[in-house]
Amino acid sequence: AQSVTQLDSQVPVFEEAPVELRCNYSSSVSVYLFWYVQYPNQGLQLLLKYLSGSTLVESINGFEAEFNKSQTSFHLRKPSVHISDTAEYFCAVSDTASYGKLTFGQGTILTVHP
Amino acid sequence: EPEVTQTPSHQVTQMGQEVILRCVPISNHLYFYWYRQILGQKVEFLVSFYNNEISEKSEIFDDQFSVERPDGSNFTLKIRSTKLEDSAMYFCASSRAAGNSYEQYFGPGTRLTVT
Repeated sequence: AQSVTQLDSQVPVFEEAPVELRCNYSSSVSVYLFWYVQYPNQGLQLLLKYLSGSTLVESINGFEAEFNKSQTSFHLRKPSVHISDTAEYFCAVSDTASYGKLTFGQGTILTVHP
Repeated sequence: EPEVTQTPSHQVTQMGQEVILRCVPISNHLYFYWYRQILGQKVEFLVSFYNNEISEKSEIFDDQFSVERPDGSNFTLKIRSTKLEDSAMYFCASSRAAGNSYEQYFGPGTRLTVT
């Protein structure tokens, strides 16, 4: 079984500041790692994922996350946030042998202030 | 851009009643999922479905739950006799193929309130 812990339930930041949303996971088997974002009144959207290869993965809108196996972490970072990044962010893991079952963290609400 | 749709957006029902939550997955997708999020808690996996069969289900998905793909476009979650603790946001998702390298596309959710 897997579990995911997002260490911060809410993260307020000012526009153009850097941000890090923390995610740690626990698993006895190999996992894939994901970050999803949910904007108000919308479904969860995949932001980025780590399956294999380079431990640093990037999204098209400037977010990046680094898989750290020794620390069992997959923190999400952005060097300069925009107002439009205000949303709830979910870290998730999946057993590499499963058919897609995702185990989610509790979510982090990122609020970007002008 | 294709998207997963869910109806209704909000459903209120009385304890003991049956409810059916409806989802229209993306048309060329083959794998379908239901998740739920009780207020203040994590998003939880309920069930995955492929080729008209359940592929995997969680402990939450007991005999009061069932899923069906009644036609070529809809995917439904039925709760036979609702309980107060079934109140939650229910998300449908679909993916093009099996395995975690294939992105799951989520719908906006149905908020179920059991009174």
